[in-house]
Amino acid sequence: EIVMTQTPLSLSVTPGQPASISCKSSQSLLHSNGKTYLYWYLQKPGQSPQLLIYEVSNRFSGVPDRFSGSGSGTDFTLKISRVEAEDVGVYYCMQSIHLPFYTFGQGTKLEIK
Amino acid sequence: EVQLLESGGGLVQPGESLRLSCAVSGFTFSNYAMSWVRQAPGKGLEWVSAISGSGVSTYYADSVKGRFTISRDDSKSTLYLQMNSLRAEDTAVYYCAKLERYSYGPTQFDYWGQGTLVTVSS
Repeated sequence: EIVMTQTPLSLSVTPGQPASISCKSSQSLLHSNGKTYLYWYLQKPGQSPQLLIYEVSNRFSGVPDRFSGSGSGTDFTLKISRVEAEDVGVYYCMQSIHLPFYTFGQGTKLEIK
Repeated sequence: EVQLLESGGGLVQPGESLRLSCAVSGFTFSNYAMSWVRQAPGKGLEWVSAISGSGVSTYYADSVKGRFTISRDDSKSTLYLQMNSLRAEDTAVYYCAKLERYSYGPTQFDYWGQGTLVTVSS
């Protein structure tokens, strides 16, 4: 079974400063079709998760361009160029190549200083 | 606007059953695979089950296989999760989520419901 490991598990960021979250998978997420099936979600306090990034680096509809994703194979990163107060919550990475199980990372809690 | 609205959660005793529903709107339900994802109190996200757009193919996490059954009624644009033999460890908020494809496969959950809480306790 594939394991998704996020670091750090929590971070506190001053508004306007950048933030970065790492996600490492125990197996490659590169499909034979050339796509890499790694996603990022944000769960704001008291809300359901919302899709931020799909297939490593594509922002979902309505997601601000301060969010960006990068990486390949087994190592991935979510970056927020300038953190805003509304970005607080828990960030999860997820893989969907090693089916039938979709697997989430353990989550990274972002707080504002 | 895409909307998913779960219902059916509540407090049950170990060994009892519960059926969750997820009514959707804002997209053609029959064109997409659907899934259930749960979140135990204070914990992370755990994928539970999924069903293809046709309803023919279903998939389950090992933790619920043989106890939970996913189904769909395209005429009602509604997804279901029948949960039998419930255990304390099934206590969680259950979210329904839309997959961005018809068949089950590599893709994202692009829309989620607000969740319904299931508590299993004596």
